[in-house]
Amino acid sequence: KAGVTQTPRYLIKTRGQQVTLSCSPISGHRSVSWYQQTPGQGLQFLFEYFSETQRNKGNFPGRFSGRQFSNSRSEMNVSTLELGDSALYLCASSFGDRANEKLFFGSGTQLSVL
Amino acid sequence: QKEVEQNSGPLSVPEGAIASLNCTYSDRVSQSFFWYRQYSGKSPELIMSIYSNGDKEDGRFTAQLNKASQYVSLLIRDSQPSDSATYLCAVNLNAGNNRKLIWGLGTSLAVNP
Repeated sequence: KAGVTQTPRYLIKTRGQQVTLSCSPISGHRSVSWYQQTPGQGLQFLFEYFSETQRNKGNFPGRFSGRQFSNSRSEMNVSTLELGDSALYLCASSFGDRANEKLFFGSGTQLSVL
Repeated sequence: QKEVEQNSGPLSVPEGAIASLNCTYSDRVSQSFFWYRQYSGKSPELIMSIYSNGDKEDGRFTAQLNKASQYVSLLIRDSQPSDSATYLCAVNLNAGNNRKLIWGLGTSLAVNP
């Protein structure tokens, strides 16, 4: 099985722009979670989608949004980029959204905001 | 106080020794606990999960959970240089089965040949 695929791998944007990141989960997985990882804050949960519905949301401003399509692929959008949004954005998929299910992470998208 | 706390390290151990990694959490209702390993420049991968008090062993890895004291630990026996990585503790804060993972900042482990 192919793993979790995230595109693009690297992105450079300037303040005020918006960006869309894409995540294709493992075939058959219906849950997709998004995380922001920075050296100072570690892994922080953004949101989770299951069968096209947002199930949970972390403590991020409304500039961060996401969606999931019927084929379980997910996109994350960040509008009005700020310098502090520079981070590694990781997507993880699992078959379901139960607490004990293993998360499979993609390689991430490294976003740099200048 | 952070919800999930880990010593940042670096924890340095010689090859063949036991590495002990600790994690404390603040919410008593937490039911599910996970250890992920992240190599530099790579994404996290699950190595252990534990849900009940006591020890759980998987090869060279042992996870220990003490809910009364609100800590979970990971022991790595016969440490190898390939174990050098950052180890992330994740705790599911929901009392039920729905997922709401909170992550520690990770402990950096260096195994010296």
